[in-house]
Amino acid sequence: NAGVTQTPKFQVLKTGQSMTLQCAQDMNHNSMYWYRQDPGMGLRLIYYSASEGTTDKGEVPNGYNVSRLNKREFSLRLESAAPSQTSVYFCASSEAHRGGDTQYFGPGTRLTVL
Amino acid sequence: RKEVEQDPGPFNVPEGATVAFNCTYSNSASQSFFWYRQDCRKEPKLLMSVYSSGNEDGRFTAQLNRASQYISLLIRDSKLSDSATYLCVVTTYSSASKIIFGSGTRLSIRP
Repeated sequence: NAGVTQTPKFQVLKTGQSMTLQCAQDMNHNSMYWYRQDPGMGLRLIYYSASEGTTDKGEVPNGYNVSRLNKREFSLRLESAAPSQTSVYFCASSEAHRGGDTQYFGPGTRLTVL
Repeated sequence: RKEVEQDPGPFNVPEGATVAFNCTYSNSASQSFFWYRQDCRKEPKLLMSVYSSGNEDGRFTAQLNRASQYISLLIRDSKLSDSATYLCVVTTYSSASKIIFGSGTRLSIRP
């Protein structure tokens, strides 16, 4: 039982390159989330998927796209990376998108955009 | 003004001490509240949910004050292993769900 896994762990991109961050969970959770964490700031929600087949914007969606591939997998795509997207990206999942549900986080992806 | 605010610290206290920190929130419609713990360069992990009646888990006590719009975390008999950053989380589930993390309070326990 791995919980939430993310790939890659580290990535360096040049401005304008694209990439996809992968996330998978094996807890049969319905809801999945993508956050970014920058120094001195809390985690900020980029996109979430309350259930398979649905996605919604969070607080900072600009420059990102997501795909809920199936119940297990939720990917985050940067179409044209910018230095402002240098950050640590965390994926999380919860049983459902409702108050009181614990979110379980993956280990994070450290992304640097040059 | 940030929607969720925490004192960034660092709080530097001796082992065995009691330490408390607060987290204030601005949205009176907020519904769920949590404390997460994050170790250096690791992912956040749930420490405890915060209920209206307050709750306790061993050395940790969390309380919610809706009138003044803050939540608190009290750690008694602090251990070296309590050194971490503590994040408060405030959520509102409606037509536009919002999950807001505070920027965290850094706690360092010294021997």
